[in-house]
Amino acid sequence: AAGVIQSPRHLIKEKRETATLKCYPIPRHDTVYWYQQGPGQDPQFLISFYEKMQSDKGSIPDRFSAQQFSDYHSELNMSSLELGDSALYFCASRQRGGMNTEAFFGQGTRLTVV
Amino acid sequence: AQSVAQPEDQVNVAEGNPLTVKCTYSVSGNPYLFWYVQYPNRGLQFLLKYITGDNLVKGSYGFEAEFNKSQTSFHLKKPSALVSDSALYFCAVRGGLEGYQKVTFGTGTKLQVIP
Repeated sequence: AAGVIQSPRHLIKEKRETATLKCYPIPRHDTVYWYQQGPGQDPQFLISFYEKMQSDKGSIPDRFSAQQFSDYHSELNMSSLELGDSALYFCASRQRGGMNTEAFFGQGTRLTVV
Repeated sequence: AQSVAQPEDQVNVAEGNPLTVKCTYSVSGNPYLFWYVQYPNRGLQFLLKYITGDNLVKGSYGFEAEFNKSQTSFHLKKPSALVSDSALYFCAVRGGLEGYQKVTFGTGTKLQVIP
């Protein structure tokens, strides 16, 4: 079965650079979530989209932005990277139609800022 | 605001023994509760969920969880632990009156099954 695809799997950037993380949801899933998981931490919700519109916002820094495109894939854009942005970034997708549907997670993008 | 608490950072259990990983939640309205497992350098894998109905929910790999509304708990259980069950387990909640789409995770419990 198709899963959530994230690219790249690993990314190394220098401080003050920019990064773009991509997420391709499971087919027919209309909702995408982004989470950030620091070393030894639980996943922290950043932002979510439903039908290409932002639906919920968490602890996403102002330096980050995200959007969902017409094909439902989503991109997380990160600018002015800081050492503290080093983390595992997860994307998850869900079909919003039912309240009882669970989110499925991608493998994550490991971002290292040096 | 919705929240999840996992009071144990780590749980150690001998192989073949029953295991319990604890989770309590706080949410306005009806909760939708989930357990996910994370193996090293891997994504979160869905184990099971409680939406409504029977308080005992059965999931993947022989895991089950019991929803207790009065104690606002959703403990993960397995009758006989395997070494391969060693991983990081996250309890999560979605629902309530606000931000019903957002999934909030607990801090995770590391399960170590000792051969």
